[in-house]
Amino acid sequence: DIQMTQSPSSLSPSVGDRVTITCRASQSISISLNWYQQKPGEAPKLLIYTASSLQSGVPSRFSGSGSGTDFTLTISSLQPEDFATYYCEQSYSTPVTFGGGTKVEI
Amino acid sequence: QVQLVESGGGVVQPGRSLRLSCAASGFAFSTYGMHWVRQAPGKGLEWVAVIYYDGTNEYSADSVKGRFTISRDNSKNTLYLQMNSLRAEDTAVYYCARRGLAFCGGGSCPNLDYWGQGTLVTVSS
Repeated sequence: DIQMTQSPSSLSPSVGDRVTITCRASQSISISLNWYQQKPGEAPKLLIYTASSLQSGVPSRFSGSGSGTDFTLTISSLQPEDFATYYCEQSYSTPVTFGGGTKVEI
Repeated sequence: QVQLVESGGGVVQPGRSLRLSCAASGFAFSTYGMHWVRQAPGKGLEWVAVIYYDGTNEYSADSVKGRFTISRDNSKNTLYLQMNSLRAEDTAVYYCARRGLAFCGGGSCPNLDYWGQGTLVTVSS
């Protein structure tokens, strides 16, 4: 199975800060990497697919980059509604695997 | 709009069975693969199983293999998860999610593009 390692596990930025979350795969997954946002009590929501493509309706302050084993999710200017937990996920091979999550908290 | 609505969760004793359902609407259900993903209380996301659009291919996590079965009824636009021999560690919110496909390079890269709101399964005596 492909292991996905996210860092940091949590962070406490301020509104307006630039936030960067990294995800590393245990083997190359090309660009088959997706990012999800989950708020408390809600289902996850797809933010970024194929490493860098913005899902429809997602604000442009979110961006993704990377290929192979190393990937990054960036929020250019953190907004109050962005406080949530973020997960990376690889669908390169079965089983689908998720990173452990990064909690962005006040 | 795409809607996925899970049902069938509840409290069940260890060793017993439960069947979850996921009713889909707003898209051509029979042309999409579907996933089940679970989340134990306070924990991260764990993939459970996937079934392809026509039901001919299905895969499940090692943690549930031999106990859980994913299936679908395209005539009813419904996805199922039959859970047998339940254990305390199966306690979680169970989400169904659509298997989206995006173009990448010379092929397609899957994602989970729409999710239901989840149904809670509690395994306890």
